[in-house]
Amino acid sequence: KAGVTQTPRYLIKTRGQQVTLSCSPISGHRSVSWYQQTPGQGLQFLFEYFSETQRNKGNFPGRFSGRQFSNSRSEMNVSTLELGDSALYLCASSPAAGSYNEQFFGPGTRLTVL
Amino acid sequence: DQQVKQNSPSLSVQEGRISILNCDYTNSMFDYFLWYKKYPAEGPTFLISISSIKDKNEDGRFTVFLNKSAKHLSLHIVPSQPGDSAVYFCAASAASNYQLIWGAGTKLIIKP
Repeated sequence: KAGVTQTPRYLIKTRGQQVTLSCSPISGHRSVSWYQQTPGQGLQFLFEYFSETQRNKGNFPGRFSGRQFSNSRSEMNVSTLELGDSALYLCASSPAAGSYNEQFFGPGTRLTVL
Repeated sequence: DQQVKQNSPSLSVQEGRISILNCDYTNSMFDYFLWYKKYPAEGPTFLISISSIKDKNEDGRFTVFLNKSAKHLSLHIVPSQPGDSAVYFCAASAASNYQLIWGAGTKLIIKP
């Protein structure tokens, strides 16, 4: 089975721009979660989607949004980029909803905001 | 306010000895705890978990201990091997809120 894939792997943007990151979960997995990781910080939960519905949302501003398609692929969008948005964005999939389930992570998208 | 804390940013252990990674939490509602391992340029991979109804869970060389009264858990790796060198994250969850709350990670270095 192919693992979780994320595209692009690296991205450089400037302040004020917007960005869209993509995540393809493991085949058969219907839950996709997004996390932000900054240096010295643990993973910060952004949101979780299950069957195209957002189940849960972390404490991030409305500039961060996401969606999930019928094939379980998910996209995350960040509008009006700020320098502090520079981070590694990780996507994780699992067969069922809820963080009690083991999550399978992609390699991440490294976003740099200049 | 960090609800999950891993106070040691790094830990160096001799190959073959025991590695003990610690994690403290503040939220008494947490009832499920997980450990993930992360290699550079890769996403985290699940290692082991424990429910709050248990105080110990074992999987091969990995054992997680939970002390609910102290709000403390630890991951023991015995014996430590060079491939164990990675960043280890502790994460916690509550039934009332399915968000995983993560610690900042501990970088484990296994010396030959």
